[in-house]
Amino acid sequence: DSGVTQTPKHLITATGQRVTLRCSPRSGDLSVYWYQQSLDQGLQFLIQYYNGEERAKGNILERFSAQQFPDLHSELNLSSLELGDSALYFCASSASGGGKTQYFGPGTRLLVL
Amino acid sequence: GENVEQHPSTLSVQEGDSAVIKCTYSDSASNYFPWYKQELGKGPQLIIDIRSNVGEKKDQRIAVTLNKTAKHFSLHITETQPEDSAVYFCAASRSGGGADGLTFGKGTHLIIQP
Repeated sequence: DSGVTQTPKHLITATGQRVTLRCSPRSGDLSVYWYQQSLDQGLQFLIQYYNGEERAKGNILERFSAQQFPDLHSELNLSSLELGDSALYFCASSASGGGKTQYFGPGTRLLVL
Repeated sequence: GENVEQHPSTLSVQEGDSAVIKCTYSDSASNYFPWYKQELGKGPQLIIDIRSNVGEKKDQRIAVTLNKTAKHFSLHITETQPEDSAVYFCAASRSGGGADGLTFGKGTHLIIQP
């Protein structure tokens, strides 16, 4: 158990809909990352937050957005969902960013029908 | 941006033998190289990492080597056991300024044959 929690574990929705994925980092970790894992794209970095502020952006679509709240939990919002958004979404956390170890949560499996 | 290539995509070894997985990276500014193990239905778990100021690091049966000049790093697992069967990912990042999203390789499916 990495100490990173993600909810929900599974999510089934329809094209065009919007969903919110939630992540609670390890106790004391200030940095939160979101990754997408799919068969064709592999594991891709989406976005990083540090203590409530966006720190880095990766291959995140404009239809996706994230935020980190004062209690340090983070949410990833996916809108106008397409079939190709079906994937595993992982949250990771680290103490401070800057090359510190990233601990991954168990993931949320999203299926868009 | 960074690009990480990983080989082989599948590796089958006899229990007790050694396994080697190799990765290359493109961005010479990358300075942090972790290796993750992912079991079915679980999130990636860090097994070892190395930073650019070190050439080799070992933790029991697992070792990682880094060649900065060639932009190449490798994972070595000795005395393989059935529980080593999983998908292994290499990754790279540059950690300047605290922005350090990882760029992953495509993964290696390691199969330990009894």
